[in-house]
Amino acid sequence: AQSVTQLGSHVSVSEGALVLLRCNYSSSVPPYLFWYVQYPNQGLQLLLKYTSAATLVKGINGFEAEFKKSETSFHLTKPSAHMSDAAEYFCAVIGGGNEKLTFGTGTRLTIIP
Amino acid sequence: DTEVTQTPKHLVMGMTNKKSLKCEQHMGHRAMYWYKQKAKKPPELMFVYSYEKLSINESVPSRFSPECPNSSLLNLHLHALQPEDSALYLCASSQLATGGRNEQFFGPGTRLTVL
Repeated sequence: AQSVTQLGSHVSVSEGALVLLRCNYSSSVPPYLFWYVQYPNQGLQLLLKYTSAATLVKGINGFEAEFKKSETSFHLTKPSAHMSDAAEYFCAVIGGGNEKLTFGTGTRLTIIP
Repeated sequence: DTEVTQTPKHLVMGMTNKKSLKCEQHMGHRAMYWYKQKAKKPPELMFVYSYEKLSINESVPSRFSPECPNSSLLNLHLHALQPEDSALYLCASSQLATGGRNEQFFGPGTRLTVL
């Protein structure tokens, strides 16, 4: 079965600082990994996805993530945080021909002015 | 059109009421999903429709009844709900592909309150 673990339920960074949100996956088959963002009282928006084409994936709003098989990780980064990045971030995985998208527990990102 | 729409945005209902949630997409996607999200939790899958047929039911109580009248529409019929069913209900859609390569597009959700 596929699963993802997000380390840190809350992360706070200063405006302009590096954003690093951690996600580790567990999958018996090559996984398809996703990062979604959810702003308050809204649905989920896809930031980026890994589908084995390239290990470094660039997404929207300046975010990127690197797939590291040796570390079973897919951490999300952004070089310079902006106030508008404050939101809940979910890592998710699909694998093995299964239609089910399995989410991590989420990380709430707070930006300090 | 890359949007999933959901109506209504907010719904308040009593435990004896019957109501329906509606979801619509015009991206030609052949898979549609219902999720339930409680506060400060990730979305939990409820149902999956593939080619208008129910393919996954995550042991959801029968007071929730999904319906997919055509490839663009997905409904969730609600009857005799409990206060603990209060949550954000999210609809999503995706293209079908083996291995799940295609991302799911989410609607804005319906905030349901059961009194």
